[in-house]
Amino acid sequence: QVQLVESGGGVVQPGGSLRLSCAASGFTFSAFGIHWVRQAPGKGLEWVAFIRDDGISEYYADSVRGRFTISRDNSKNSVYLQMNSLGGEDTAIYYCAKHPSGWDNYFDYWGQGTLVTVSS
Amino acid sequence: DIQMTQSPSTLSASVGDRVTITCRASQNSNSWLAWYQQKPGKAPKLLIYKASSLESGVPSRFSGSGSGTEFTLTISSLQPDDFATYFCQQYSAYSLTFGQGTKVEIK
Repeated sequence: QVQLVESGGGVVQPGGSLRLSCAASGFTFSAFGIHWVRQAPGKGLEWVAFIRDDGISEYYADSVRGRFTISRDNSKNSVYLQMNSLGGEDTAIYYCAKHPSGWDNYFDYWGQGTLVTVSS
Repeated sequence: DIQMTQSPSTLSASVGDRVTITCRASQNSNSWLAWYQQKPGKAPKLLIYKASSLESGVPSRFSGSGSGTEFTLTISSLQPDDFATYFCQQYSAYSLTFGQGTKVEIK
C-alpha cells in the first residue's frame, strides 16, 4: 500500500534552516509528482511546493518562493524540502502528499506529517 | 491566487442528517476541485476529485457537485465516523488553494 513518511522536523531559531525528507513506498515513485502541504497549529491547509516525477519542474507558493527548495532522489524514493530563512509564520505541520496519475493537481495520499517549530 | 470560501465554518448535526457544505471560488475553477476530510491529529483524506468523482474506497453517502465558482459536498446520511473537518481545494491554477475548513460537530 502507498506509504509516505516525513522526517526532519524540529525546533529551529528564526532565520535558521531545516531540511525535511519524505520517504515513499508502495508505488512506482519515479512515475509520480510529490507535493508539500503545511498546516499551522489549529489552522487550515496551505500548499507549499510541488515537484514533477522527473524532478525537472518545480512549483512554489509565493510565501516560500526563494526560501524553500524542493528536490527528489528517485534512486532513494525520497523527496526533500530545504527550508531557509525560517520565520514564525513557517511554524506548521508539514505533510508530503502524492500527486495522482495524470495532470490533476490534487493529493490522493498523505503522510502523517512532521512538525516544524520556529522559535527562539 | 484563487480564493476559496467555505460555508458554514461550523455545522452542528445529528446522526442520520443530510449535510451540505458549500465552497465558492473567487474565479472560475471549472471542475478542478477536490474535497478532503480531516480528523484531529490525522492527515487529510481525499474524498472527491474533479468536483464530483468519488475516490475509491470512500462511502457512497459522500457526493460532490458544482462547477465554475460554486461547489457543494453532501453527506446523505451522517454517520458517527463523519464528524470531522472538511476542506475544499481548487487545482485550476497555481497556487493551489484550500478553503478555510468546515467543522462538522455532533448536535
